[in-house]
Amino acid sequence: QKEVEQDPGPLSVPEGAIVSLNCTYSNSAFQYFMWYRQYSRKGPELLMYTYSSGNKEDGRFTAQVDKSSKYISLFIRDSQPSDSATYLCAMERVGNEKLTFGTGTRLTIIP
Amino acid sequence: DSGVTQTPKHLITATGQRVTLRCSPRSGDLSVYWYQQSLDQGLQFLIQYYNGEERAKGNILERFSAQQFPDLHSELNLSSLELGDSALYFCASSVTPSTGQETQYFGPGTRLLVL
Repeated sequence: QKEVEQDPGPLSVPEGAIVSLNCTYSNSAFQYFMWYRQYSRKGPELLMYTYSSGNKEDGRFTAQVDKSSKYISLFIRDSQPSDSATYLCAMERVGNEKLTFGTGTRLTIIP
Repeated sequence: DSGVTQTPKHLITATGQRVTLRCSPRSGDLSVYWYQQSLDQGLQFLIQYYNGEERAKGNILERFSAQQFPDLHSELNLSSLELGDSALYFCASSVTPSTGQETQYFGPGTRLLVL
């Protein structure tokens, strides 16, 4: 079993819809949670970072962490065609500097 | 543009060969990370260097090695290449060793195809 599980999709939604992307994990030692966006033929770029449980909002993006359920989510409001990309969740243990990534969810926003 | 550069962008080679991938971190970043991204395995951490010293190792094969030079650029050497080594190789950098609070900035990647 992988430490981090992420539905690979693909996921297609109409423009303007709310998108929900999710990851589950098995290692309770993960304390830092990140979402990266990766456009085709580009490197991943950090979208959101959260520490421990709770919500964090940045513009149209909201990241949620539920450590009791070992479940994290990324919500995208008012989705735009430019949001079409692969979204990767990533996690890190305190004192362990490597990131463990999910396999990524491929998202397409249909105009 | 993240500020991290990687060369070459594409590399096509044959099985059994050896290649070197190069990474220049963002100005001021001391920590460099190497990742491998394949369709079936996703993004896998290979190795990390901090200020010239190896800091952490992940799922890096013995056929692979890396180093970070005094000018902080890093090279990933892949030898005795196999078909399964075909993948995207990313370099990332951060100012200090990442503790989650320190963002890792990714380069554009090197696409390796082993024939």
